[in-house]
Amino acid sequence: DIVLTQSPDSLAVSLGERATINCKSSQSVLYNSDNKNYLGWYQQKAGQPPKLLIYWASTRESGVPDRFSGSGSGTDFTLTISSLQAEDVAVYYCQQYYNSPPTWTFGQGTKVEIK
Amino acid sequence: EVQLVESGGDLVQPGGSLRLSCAASGFTFSTYNMHWVRQAPGKGPERVSYISSSSVTIYYADSVKGRFTISRDNVKNSLYLQMNSLRVEDTAVYYCARASMSSSAYFDYWGRGALVTVSS
Repeated sequence: DIVLTQSPDSLAVSLGERATINCKSSQSVLYNSDNKNYLGWYQQKAGQPPKLLIYWASTRESGVPDRFSGSGSGTDFTLTISSLQAEDVAVYYCQQYYNSPPTWTFGQGTKVEIK
Repeated sequence: EVQLVESGGDLVQPGGSLRLSCAASGFTFSTYNMHWVRQAPGKGPERVSYISSSSVTIYYADSVKGRFTISRDNVKNSLYLQMNSLRVEDTAVYYCARASMSSSAYFDYWGRGALVTVSS
């Protein structure tokens, strides 16, 4: 089974500063068939369901502010919040898809707080 | 507006059964693949089951295979999860989630969830 490991488990960032979350996969999520990384990022605020932010490792979902960006390929990925806002306090999860057999796996989560 | 509303969560004893429902609205339900995803207290999400738009393709996580059954009714715009032989470790919030039209690899809308507690 593919394992996703996020780092750090939590971080505190000042308002307006950059927040960086890492996600490492135990095997590559880059598919040669379409040259896409099957890696997504979700935001979960307290008491709410997760919300899709990023898919294909770097494509922002419609309506997601452009301060959120994703990067990386193969096994190493990063979610960056360029200028942290108060409403960004949440737990962030990476998620991958593997097609043989079809499995969907989430990381353990990274909690982002205001310093 | 896309809406997914789960119901049926409850407290049940180990070995018991429960059926969750998810009512969908605001989109053409019959054209979307759907998932059930659960989240245990303080843990990350875990994808439980997947069903294609026409119910032809179904997948289960190993942890629930043989005990849970996913189904859908495209006339009633509803998704279901029949859960049998429940275990303490099945305790979680269960979310109905829509597969993204870009790819079933992602979950683009989620319901608010239904709490299932398995305890004696």
